[in-house]
Amino acid sequence: DTEVTQTPKHLVMGMTNKKSLKCEQHMGHRAMYWYKQKAKKPPELMFVYSYEKLSINESVPSRFSPECPNSSLLNLHLHALQPEDSALYLCASRGLSGSSYNEQFFGPGTRLTVL
Amino acid sequence: AQSVTQLGSHVSVSEGALVLLRCNYSSSVPPYLFWYVQYPNQGLQLLLKYTSAATLVKGINGFEAEFKKSETSFHLTKPSAHMSDAAEYFCAVSRATGRRALTFGSGTRLQVQP
Repeated sequence: DTEVTQTPKHLVMGMTNKKSLKCEQHMGHRAMYWYKQKAKKPPELMFVYSYEKLSINESVPSRFSPECPNSSLLNLHLHALQPEDSALYLCASRGLSGSSYNEQFFGPGTRLTVL
Repeated sequence: AQSVTQLGSHVSVSEGALVLLRCNYSSSVPPYLFWYVQYPNQGLQLLLKYTSAATLVKGINGFEAEFKKSETSFHLTKPSAHMSDAAEYFCAVSRATGRRALTFGSGTRLQVQP
């Protein structure tokens, strides 16, 4: 199974809502990533988890809160977002050994709209 | 710091013609380089990667790329374009060590005309 799944596919939320994005992989990868992609722009790194510990936070506002409850799951908790946070949120995973050591596998993304 | 520059935000070719998408990198250390494709409203799919082995890298769907250190380039080519190749293509760079986070170029939209 070389698949990274993300739920939901689409999310519309108001600025006062709290919601969560979920990412799951069953490839045994121990590094997981969140990227944000605005329309017609390349993905930009938000967070990196390595062995379930946060290792990189690219100065992301605190209204985005990542969580890695186990080696297969990565969540992104959202609270008090702004309309400019509307984007495609991509999750990726990478193996820390073996053939997938140098390759990130991406999920299909969650399209987030903040009203 | 590492970065990649993709020349040409839009490239249009005829079906059956050569595809050439350009990518130049800047890195203070030996880089790992990648080409990803993104179809509308989808995630990114890896086409090919350079990780300091062979300089000519073959990927999926008939694409290949050549790492040229002297030119700091990693251009993507395909001998004959197919309608299904129409998509957004991103060149990306990462360090060969550490967390391997990707830094993407600005992307090139490939159009294939019938």
